Amino acid sequence: GAGVSQTPSNKVTEKGKYVELRCDPISGHTALYWYRQSLGQGPEFLIYFQGTGAADDSGLPNDRFFAVRPEGSVSTLKIQRTERGDSAMYLCASSSQPGDSGELFFGEGSRLTVL
Amino acid sequence: AQSVTQPDIHITVSEGASLELRCNYSYGATPYLFWYVQSPGQGLQLLLKYFSGDTLVQGIKGFEAEFKRSQSSFNLRKPSVHWSDAAEYFCAVGAGGKLVFGAGTILRVKS
Repeated sequence: GAGVSQTPSNKVTEKGKYVELRCDPISGHTALYWYRQSLGQGPEFLIYFQGTGAADDSGLPNDRFFAVRPEGSVSTLKIQRTERGDSAMYLCASSSQPGDSGELFFGEGSRLTVL
Repeated sequence: AQSVTQPDIHITVSEGASLELRCNYSYGATPYLFWYVQSPGQGLQLLLKYFSGDTLVQGIKGFEAEFKRSQSSFNLRKPSVHWSDAAEYFCAVGAGGKLVFGAGTILRVKS
């Protein structure tokens, strides 16, 4: 597609359940990023992929959060044993130029609500 | 530690009036600075960025921003606001795609 695609756009789950959020970056973009945006806050960095490997996962809040990008394109953010505090908008971005000069192109996000 | 402060949570301006959104940052080295806009139901869109060189940078949609190292500021300006500019604006600092965002400023435009 023309832009970054994220699915689902909305996900409601119960506390303790497992959730997967998918990101399809712009074709040809080698760098992919996940951010989390809580209500009333700016996005917070979670993880960055360059190709298939996680180049920087320092923003993942704990070991319940995991992300993969097995073929260097689509990425999945996985959250185990969800908690109410995980409720947020999860944003994915991609870039054709990893590094300082690369503009990030963001998707519309996946809104996660944990009841 | 890197941080970004956007002192104004909400700003309301009249259509046609000028606009300035404030941004102050804390960064350990020469900063890479960005302004993004987020409209309801849309992803964040880059308005402009500063890496080096001329401290006044031009962006899309008629926006500009000025980097002032002495004040650790990167304020966003527009000479004449349009109703379609109503959105949330985020200032960010960082490098390599790992950005630290401010909490955002919601811009309301009244006719």
